[in-house]
Amino acid sequence: GNSVTQMEGPVTLSEEAFLTINCTYTATGYPSLFWYVQYPGEGLQLLLKATKADDKGSNKGFEATYRKETTSFHLEKGSVQVSDSAVYFCALDIQGGSEKLVFGKGTKLTVNP
Amino acid sequence: DSGVTQTPKHLITATGQRVTLRCSPRSGDLSVYWYQQSLDQGLQFLIHYYNGEERAKGNILERFSAQQFPDLHSELNLSSLELGDSALYFCASSVDSAGYEQFFGPGTRLTVL
Repeated sequence: GNSVTQMEGPVTLSEEAFLTINCTYTATGYPSLFWYVQYPGEGLQLLLKATKADDKGSNKGFEATYRKETTSFHLEKGSVQVSDSAVYFCALDIQGGSEKLVFGKGTKLTVNP
Repeated sequence: DSGVTQTPKHLITATGQRVTLRCSPRSGDLSVYWYQQSLDQGLQFLIHYYNGEERAKGNILERFSAQQFPDLHSELNLSSLELGDSALYFCASSVDSAGYEQFFGPGTRLTVL
């Protein structure tokens, strides 16, 4: 079946530190990959996406590269801010599949000043 | 603000009761998705409607049902509630049935006592 595994955290960093949140996937077919972010008390927001191998998604200083050979889509940011504190979800969707998102369990990030 | 609205924001009820959660998609979006977020199961896809028709079902219990109305709003009905149904229920919408970019509402927090 299709699944997503991400480091569960929680992750605590100081402001301006480098962030990596690991995400690997198992999929039949050709998935699109996503990172969603959930700020406290809010719904999920799409952070970035990649629809094919070697694509790099980027937004707000975050980036992730679709690596088919390692079935990974790790999220990185060079310098985190306090405002980046949130829960981050890695997800996949199979193109032409059942049209639903399969999520990882989420990684809570806390950035301290 | 994603443009997706959900009501109510909070719902507290007793075991055995029935509740209805409501979702209004973004203007122009034809697809509505329902997800359940709980501490033990994470984020799980429940059901997808496109332009009034059911398109895909995920891990939705038989006690749960949904529909999408001609004005495209959707309702999720939960009956014979159990303690384990306590969770955040999210609605998401997208413009088409491919579901590649889903916009999430703020969620309804259901507490079953």
